[in-house]
Amino acid sequence: AQSVTQLGSHVSVSEGALVLLRCNYSSSVPPYLFWYVQYPNQGLQLLLKYTSAATLVKGINGFEAEFKKSETSFHLTKPSAHMSDAAEYFCAHNGGFGNEKLTFGTGTRLTIIP
Amino acid sequence: DTAVSQTPKYLVTQMGNDKSIKCEQNLGHDTMYWYKQDSKKFLKIMFSYNNKELIINETVPNRFSPKSPDKAHLNLHINSLELGDSAVYFCASSPSGGANTGELFFGEGSRLTVL
Repeated sequence: AQSVTQLGSHVSVSEGALVLLRCNYSSSVPPYLFWYVQYPNQGLQLLLKYTSAATLVKGINGFEAEFKKSETSFHLTKPSAHMSDAAEYFCAHNGGFGNEKLTFGTGTRLTIIP
Repeated sequence: DTAVSQTPKYLVTQMGNDKSIKCEQNLGHDTMYWYKQDSKKFLKIMFSYNNKELIINETVPNRFSPKSPDKAHLNLHINSLELGDSAVYFCASSPSGGANTGELFFGEGSRLTVL
């Protein structure tokens, strides 16, 4: 079965420090991969997505992620954390183009330390 | 204008009751979804409809019945509510076919508390 695994349910970084949120996928065929963000008491919002084009994907709010097939990883990074980045982050994947079922990871709560 | 809107946002009810959550999208999408987010933030798909037709039906108790009167609406009715049904229910939509790259557009969620 296809799945995504997020390492670390909680990550804390200081304001201005590097943000690194980890996601690994398991699939025999590279799927489409996504990072979503959920701010408190809100729905999920797409940060960025990988759809078999460039392996380094840039998203909103200064986030980016790199697809590494050899490591089956799609880690999310941001060079300098901001207080407003505090939220829950979800990695997700589907089976490929036209597959409408998104499967989410268990989420990582990002806390920013002033 | 809210793209995907759900009502109610909060719902508190007793065990055994029946309740409904409504969802509407004004994005012109063909596909709509219901996801359940439990207390540990785990998100799991429940149902998906494409142009009023059920296409995904995960292992969900048959107390949960989705209804799609048209492609812009997907409602969720829950019979005989149980304590374990307490969760946040998210509606989402997406384009289908050639326009679908997997991005979902989510509503703000409906928090259901069963006492």
